[in-house]
Amino acid sequence: SQTIHQWPATLVQPVGSPLSLECTVEGTSNPNLYWYRQAAGRGLQLLFYSVGIGQISSEVPQNLSASRPQDRQFILSSKKLLLSDSGFYLCAWSGGVWGLGETQYFGPGTRLLVL
Amino acid sequence: KQEVTQIPAALSVPEGENLVLNCSFTDSAIYNLQWFRQDPGKGLTSLLLIQSSQREQTSGRLNASLDKSSGRSTLYIAASQPGDSATYLCAVNTGTASKLTFGTGTRLQVTL
Repeated sequence: SQTIHQWPATLVQPVGSPLSLECTVEGTSNPNLYWYRQAAGRGLQLLFYSVGIGQISSEVPQNLSASRPQDRQFILSSKKLLLSDSGFYLCAWSGGVWGLGETQYFGPGTRLLVL
Repeated sequence: KQEVTQIPAALSVPEGENLVLNCSFTDSAIYNLQWFRQDPGKGLTSLLLIQSSQREQTSGRLNASLDKSSGRSTLYIAASQPGDSATYLCAVNTGTASKLTFGTGTRLQVTL
């Protein structure tokens, strides 16, 4: 069966510090991968998605970047965190050759607090 | 741009009641619609997925309907239980790579 992991679970970082959040998927190959952010009192916002190694699409302009160095690894990064980067970050995956109409499966999330 | 709205934002019902959660979307050109459950501080759990060609899906005490032409979906929960307390999110898939646009959710509390 497929599983998705995220770490760390919780992170407290000072403004201006770098960030690296990791997501890995097991039990499937060539998944579509997604990063979402859920800010306090707001809905989930899609940040990045990837349909293959090295292929990253950004949905919103921001202080963050994403990379996919391996088939089942998705990394969210920042060089300098802002207060507005605080939130709950969720990674998800879906299957299928073209990724149409597929269920997305979510990881447990990382809660980031920038002080 | 697709926008998804969920009403009500919060709902409190006594145990045993049947309830309906509503979701509306502005662009009817969708591939599918999903309902998720989110417990506090946790990730999302997929409950039901309705393809654009379907009218409804059922899983246990849950029934989701889709009226694509009017841009509406409902999630019906029968005989609610305290364990159903959570935030329920609907999301529509309107593009390739299964990108989802989420509503802001309905926070449900089922009381004893």
